[in-house]
Amino acid sequence: GQNIDQPTEMTATEGAIVQINCTYQTSGFNGLFWYQQHAGEAPTFLSYNVLDGLEEKGRFSSFLSRSKGYSYLLLKELQMKDSASYLCVVMDSNYQLIWGAGTKLIIKP
Amino acid sequence: NAGVMQNPRHLVRRRGQEARLRCSPMKGHSHVYWYRQLPEEGLKFMVYLQKENIIDESGMPKERFSAEFPKEGPSILRIQQVVRGDSAAYFCASSPFGQEFEVNEQYFGPGTRLTVT
Repeated sequence: GQNIDQPTEMTATEGAIVQINCTYQTSGFNGLFWYQQHAGEAPTFLSYNVLDGLEEKGRFSSFLSRSKGYSYLLLKELQMKDSASYLCVVMDSNYQLIWGAGTKLIIKP
Repeated sequence: NAGVMQNPRHLVRRRGQEARLRCSPMKGHSHVYWYRQLPEEGLKFMVYLQKENIIDESGMPKERFSAEFPKEGPSILRIQQVVRGDSAAYFCASSPFGQEFEVNEQYFGPGTRLTVT
């Protein structure tokens, strides 16, 4: 079966750094996305990785290791507005998006 | 350039009634996706449509649910004879390209929250 694992909830302090991990087992692989979803709102696109390595975009970076079926999202200089759920999404060989349940990130002052 | 529009934002139906959810994709986008999100859970894919065609409905329940994306007008997700278990947030997303293209970034609408009483 297809499976995406990420922690249910994480807590971090404003100004700090947090790493949200994601492991996956899917039928083939055509890329991995990270989305941010604030409570009661729609998901918004953060990043896309299809090759191994680190993609940096401002305060957010995303890393992929295809051989390990592993990705992480790194958030630096945390702000209160970063409190949200972060969704790990994998596109399988049929180009279907498989969504993780999300990691709820709580930022404390 | 308006984003993805969904209406209504909130819909309350009694058991046995029909729910009709509308989605207008972003201008220039011809690919529409519907997702369902139960409380405290991730998004579940339901159906992928292009104009006048259902491309992938592997996530749609076999009964009571149907979707269309006519040549003119919004995409419609229809749920007949709703039950309490249908209560969820239903998100629509659109993209300019099909899923087989890389970086298929999907733009999401605000969602319709369906409550079945």
